[in-house]
Amino acid sequence: RKEVEQDPGPFNVPEGATVAFNCTYSNSASQSFFWYRQDCRKEPKLLMSVYSSGNEDGRFTAQLNRASQYISLLIRDSKLSDSATYLCVVNTNAGKSTFGDGTTLTVKP
Amino acid sequence: GAVVSQHPSRVICKSGTSVKIECRSLDFQATTMFWYRQFPKQSLMLMATSNEGSKATYEQGVEKDKFLINHASLTLSTLTVTSAHPEDSSFYICSASALRNRGYTFGSGTRLTVV
Repeated sequence: RKEVEQDPGPFNVPEGATVAFNCTYSNSASQSFFWYRQDCRKEPKLLMSVYSSGNEDGRFTAQLNRASQYISLLIRDSKLSDSATYLCVVNTNAGKSTFGDGTTLTVKP
Repeated sequence: GAVVSQHPSRVICKSGTSVKIECRSLDFQATTMFWYRQFPKQSLMLMATSNEGSKATYEQGVEKDKFLINHASLTLSTLTVTSAHPEDSSFYICSASALRNRGYTFGSGTRLTVV
């Protein structure tokens, strides 16, 4: 079993749709959690950190469930520009990052 | 915000040659930097953790004599792919964090093609 597992993609949604991604992690000692966005052939860029209380940034909402060891990302009112691969990243206290394989989202007109 | 500069962005080299990739933190000091490799349609895989002033820590299966890492200052880490072979062709990315548990900033990546 992989340390970090994400929903298999691809997700193909129309503009304006709401889409949600889940990610599960196996290391209960994991300390911090992030969602990154990676465009084709580019470096990953931090989308948002994920906090236990849940956090929102515009159309994006991230949540963490430590008991069930999963995090989620919700995108509302999808835009064409949201098309990308979304990576779930889990850090241990030592700072080691483990990446999920990513979920590809394509938003269509 | 924290900026990480990686150079070169693209390199093509012949089999058997060595390639050096630089990773610089531009506006913060990074005692630790990370080197990743990403093959097409695959996730980023951590290769090694670069520690300023000490030896790098390599992940299982990564040859330390092939992937030489030097972290001689708080703002610069280098990865040298020695005696490169076509199977080393990949996207190499470094990252560093200005603030612990605040996510990592990635360099722009280096696309290495060995012919």
